[in-house]
Amino acid sequence: GQNIDQPTEMTATEGAIVQINCTYQTSGFNGLFWYQQHAGEAPTFLSYNVLDGLEEKGRFSSFLSRSKGYSYLLLKELQMKDSASYLCAVMDSNYQLIWGAGTKLIIKP
Amino acid sequence: GAVVSQHPSWVICKSGTSVKIECRSLDFQATTMFWYRQFPKQSLMLMATSNEGSKATYEQGVEKDKFLINHASLTLSTLTVTSAHPEDSSFYICSARAPGIDYEQYFGPGTRLTVT
Repeated sequence: GQNIDQPTEMTATEGAIVQINCTYQTSGFNGLFWYQQHAGEAPTFLSYNVLDGLEEKGRFSSFLSRSKGYSYLLLKELQMKDSASYLCAVMDSNYQLIWGAGTKLIIKP
Repeated sequence: GAVVSQHPSWVICKSGTSVKIECRSLDFQATTMFWYRQFPKQSLMLMATSNEGSKATYEQGVEKDKFLINHASLTLSTLTVTSAHPEDSSFYICSARAPGIDYEQYFGPGTRLTVT
C-alpha cells in the first residue's frame, strides 16, 4: 500500500530552526511536495523536489533522498506566523498526490 | 497567475437539502480538477478527479450518486452534495492542474460546509 509518515505535532521557539521529517512508500514517484496550511484555510505550496538534494527558498529548505524514501522541510528563523500544519505529499505514477496526515507546528515566543 | 477560486466560502444547510460548490480557475485552463475533503485535524482526502468533458473518477468509498461532480468547461468544476447529512459537514477544497504542468496543483481557498 501507499504510506506517508510525518510527526503529528512539533513545538519550536521563535527564532530557532526546526526540521520536519517525512518518509514515504508509494507506487511510483513523480516528486514530493511540501504545503503549509493554516487552520481553516487551504494548503499553500512551499516546495517541490523530484531530484535528490536540497532545495533552498528563503527561510525554507526541502531535502529529498529517493533511495531512502525520505524528505525533510527545514524552517529557519522561525516566526510566530509559521505556526501551521505542514503537509508532505508524494505524486505517484498516476500523477496523483498522496498526502501525509500533516505536522502541526507550534511556535512559542 | 494560477488562481483558483471557490464559491461559496462557507455554507450552512439543513439536513436533506443539496448544496453546490463551484471551483473556478481564473487565469488558466484546467484540464484536470481535484476535489478534496478535510475533517478537523485530519489531512486532505481525495474524493474525485475530474477531467473536462468526461465523467469524474471517484476514490474508493466516495458515493458518486451523493457527490455529483460536473466539469463542464476548462475553467469550472462543480461539486454537488445531494441529500446532505450532518456527517457531510467538512471542509471541501478543490485544486486545478494546468495542461502540460504535471506536477503543480493550485488550490482553491476551500468551502466550509455545515449541515444542521
